[in-house]
Amino acid sequence: GAVVSQHPSRVICKSGTSVKIECRSLDFQATTMFWYRQFPKQSLMLMATSNEGSKATYEQGVEKDKFLINHASLTLSTLTVTSAHPEDSSFYICSARYMYGYTFGSGTRLTVV
Amino acid sequence: SQQGEEDPQALSIQEGENATMNCSYKTSINNLQWYRQNSGRGLVHLILIRSNEREKHSGRLRVTLDTSKKSSSLLITASRAADTASYFCATYNTGTASKLTFGTGTRLQVTL
Repeated sequence: GAVVSQHPSRVICKSGTSVKIECRSLDFQATTMFWYRQFPKQSLMLMATSNEGSKATYEQGVEKDKFLINHASLTLSTLTVTSAHPEDSSFYICSARYMYGYTFGSGTRLTVV
Repeated sequence: SQQGEEDPQALSIQEGENATMNCSYKTSINNLQWYRQNSGRGLVHLILIRSNEREKHSGRLRVTLDTSKKSSSLLITASRAADTASYFCATYNTGTASKLTFGTGTRLQVTL
């Protein structure tokens, strides 16, 4: 139980375009989801906390207008990287809190060319 | 958010040997968790130890917690090639809005 499905697993986009990443809780309702960014061989850095039905809470230094988060239902949160640039290339991981802890998506490798 | 430090950053051992990873953190915690990440994948929860616990076992995993030193260790016994992955500690404090704070990670390589 407590599975989170994240799509796409890999995406390549052109500089200046926007990319949407989806995170779905498959067998539970997730009122809170978290979005992380991970650079190669580094740890996970929390970008924002997504709450169903309300605005996301962004960590210090994260651009709200660049990383748009929507949590419109109890099973879906999306992260949209707007006007992507090569420096946005990274591994993005979502996570959801459930009754017994945290579960993580399999991650999205974003490459901006 | 402040991260904990893990050491070593990288560890290479042979199959059958034990692997020990250490994690230090900075603030008070409610619990500490260890996660595993295979290359290019998400995280898998391994074990959770509460602040009032000192040691916990799960299969080949042994976790210790010393809240006075703000440190934890993860021991993997009789390692296997399939244990090759990155391992992260993560701390949880109810005062941080349900957020996990991750350590810097240890990359473990187990060779045949």
